[in-house]
Amino acid sequence: EIVLTQSPDFQSVTPKEKVTITCRASQSIGSTLHWYQQKPDQSPKLLIKYASQSISGVPSRFSGSGSGTDFTLTINSLEAEDAAAYYCHQSSRLPYTFGQGTKLEIK
Amino acid sequence: EVQLVESGGGLVQPGRSLRLSCAASGFTFHDYAMQWVRQAPGKGLEWVSGISRNSGNIGYADSVKGRFTISRDNAKNSLYLQMNSLRAEDTALYYCAKSPLWFGEFDYWGQGILVTVSS
Repeated sequence: EIVLTQSPDFQSVTPKEKVTITCRASQSIGSTLHWYQQKPDQSPKLLIKYASQSISGVPSRFSGSGSGTDFTLTINSLEAEDAAAYYCHQSSRLPYTFGQGTKLEIK
Repeated sequence: EVQLVESGGGLVQPGRSLRLSCAASGFTFHDYAMQWVRQAPGKGLEWVSGISRNSGNIGYADSVKGRFTISRDNAKNSLYLQMNSLRAEDTALYYCAKSPLWFGEFDYWGQGILVTVSS
């Protein structure tokens, strides 16, 4: 099973700050890494697919990078509405797995 | 508008069975692989099972293999999860999600249905 490890687990940030969340895979997964946002009491929403491909309707302040084992989700100029949990997910091989999640708190 | 609506959840005793359904609308159901993902209270996301467009490929998490069975009916635009021998650790919010490719992203999720396993 491919283990995805995110860091940090929790981060408290101020609006307009730049945020970086990392996801490390236990083995190489190419670019089959996707990012989701889950706001409280809502279902997850796809933010970035295949490491760096943008999703229609997602604000441009969200971007992704990386390949192989190391990936990054960047949020430029954080807004209050970005308070949420963020998860990475690999679809390289079964069983599909998720990172443990990163909770962002807005100060 | 894309809609995925889960149903069939509830309170069930350990060892018993439950069948979840996911009704799909607003997209061409047979063009998408489908997934079940669960989230235990206050915890993260765990992939449970997935099925390809024509049911030719099926996968399960080790935690449910041999107990859960995924299926789909493309004529009825529906996805199912038969859950047998339920355990307390199966308690979770179960989401269905669609994915454009078998090894792809989950591009839309339902609102989820709660399954509680308790005596």
